[in-house]
Amino acid sequence: AQTVTQSQPEMSVQEAETVTLSCTYDTSENNYYLFWYKQPPSRQMILVIRQEAYKQQNATENRFSVNFQKAAKSFSLKISDSQLGDTAMYFCAFMKGASGSRLTFGEGTQLTVNP
Amino acid sequence: GAGVSQSPRYKVAKRGQDVALRCDPISGHVSLFWYQQALGQGPEFLTYFQNEAQLDKSGLPSDRFFAERPEGSVSTLKIQRTQQEDSAVYLCASSLAAELRNTIYFGEGSWLTVV
Repeated sequence: AQTVTQSQPEMSVQEAETVTLSCTYDTSENNYYLFWYKQPPSRQMILVIRQEAYKQQNATENRFSVNFQKAAKSFSLKISDSQLGDTAMYFCAFMKGASGSRLTFGEGTQLTVNP
Repeated sequence: GAGVSQSPRYKVAKRGQDVALRCDPISGHVSLFWYQQALGQGPEFLTYFQNEAQLDKSGLPSDRFFAERPEGSVSTLKIQRTQQEDSAVYLCASSLAAELRNTIYFGEGSWLTVV
């Protein structure tokens, strides 16, 4: 079974600064995908960024980037130039590389961006 | 539809009551997932459909939980004889196909409170 651990229940950052959210995972799979989802108070899960395990290059999406360390099973999210709208719960998630696979989520990190 | 739609958004049920939660996936989406998210936790997988076939129901916590998708579009999650521990947000998600390159889209969830 796969497990995903987020060790930071809460984080805060000043507007325009950079923050890094941590995630580690445990799996015996070699083919898998990793995700960061954002969940605002509305509860809708919004995909922030995804990483294919077979790709060595770290994924980036505008202000969001990841540091994927496959050997260490670490997958951190860096948010640059933080904006007030980034305030939300952030979940790290794992999915096996097979069709119809489920997402396994971590416990989440509540990020607050302060003005 | 424009997005994954879930109803009701909020439901208060008395302990022992039966409830039915509906999910309208994005039109044409083949894959459909149900997740349960307890307060302060990450979502946990319940069940997965590919078209009308329920291919994985290993996450359903008890035989009081039942899901169906008879025509391969709308899905209903039914909880019989609700108990307080069933209080959670129930999230539905869909994707265009089973292939992993397809983004998974989430609805805003149905908030169930059992009193």
